[in-house]
Amino acid sequence: QSALTQPASVSGSPGQSITISCTGSDSDIGSFNLVSWYQQHPGKAPKVIIFEVRRRPSGVSNRFSGSMSGNTASLTISGLQPEDEANYFCCSYAGTYMWVFGGGTTLTVL
Amino acid sequence: EVQLVEFGGGLVKPGGSLRLSCATSGFTFSISTMNWVRQAPGKGLEWVSAITRSGDMYYADSVKGRFTISRDNANNSVLLQMNRLSAEDTAVYYCARSLSWGPDSWGQGTLVTVSS
Repeated sequence: QSALTQPASVSGSPGQSITISCTGSDSDIGSFNLVSWYQQHPGKAPKVIIFEVRRRPSGVSNRFSGSMSGNTASLTISGLQPEDEANYFCCSYAGTYMWVFGGGTTLTVL
Repeated sequence: EVQLVEFGGGLVKPGGSLRLSCATSGFTFSISTMNWVRQAPGKGLEWVSAITRSGDMYYADSVKGRFTISRDNANNSVLLQMNRLSAEDTAVYYCARSLSWGPDSWGQGTLVTVSS
């Protein structure tokens, strides 16, 4: 049950695009197309922004997009806005009702 | 509207016990898989436990044998009994419903602090 690997921090200027990677293993990301991404502002509950690798819940901006290749999933945020500054976590199914999360990436909008 | 509200966090001494509860509304609780996920201060999220609609229970290795998850379908709530607590269990504990693709709805969390 090892955590997924994310960069600790990324940054970008308003209007730019950034990508956050999430690396797992053959036991989680590599075995299931069940990667989701969460946005978490300080002191708040996580909010899902991407599920099933690339699907967006209704109400989530199309500036958020997801992809996957092998054991690595990625979240891209285009047209960065100040309100995007938050922590972002990836999550993958790991089998038998278990979920594994990434360590989180802090996004700073410069 | 789906709502989840956690209760029961607090300060407990090492070796002690605590019981968390999560009250839910806005969805059909009895057919839902429910989870507990925790977040240590300044750290990432860690899945702790899950209970299926049929009552099957699953645990992270870090809590197996110490924590027990249960559900009360009559009151739409999920519980987490935590025993033999240590400093490593200090975290905000979130209750979350999971759909087929993952945890979709989360509570605001309750803080558990294990300290002497």
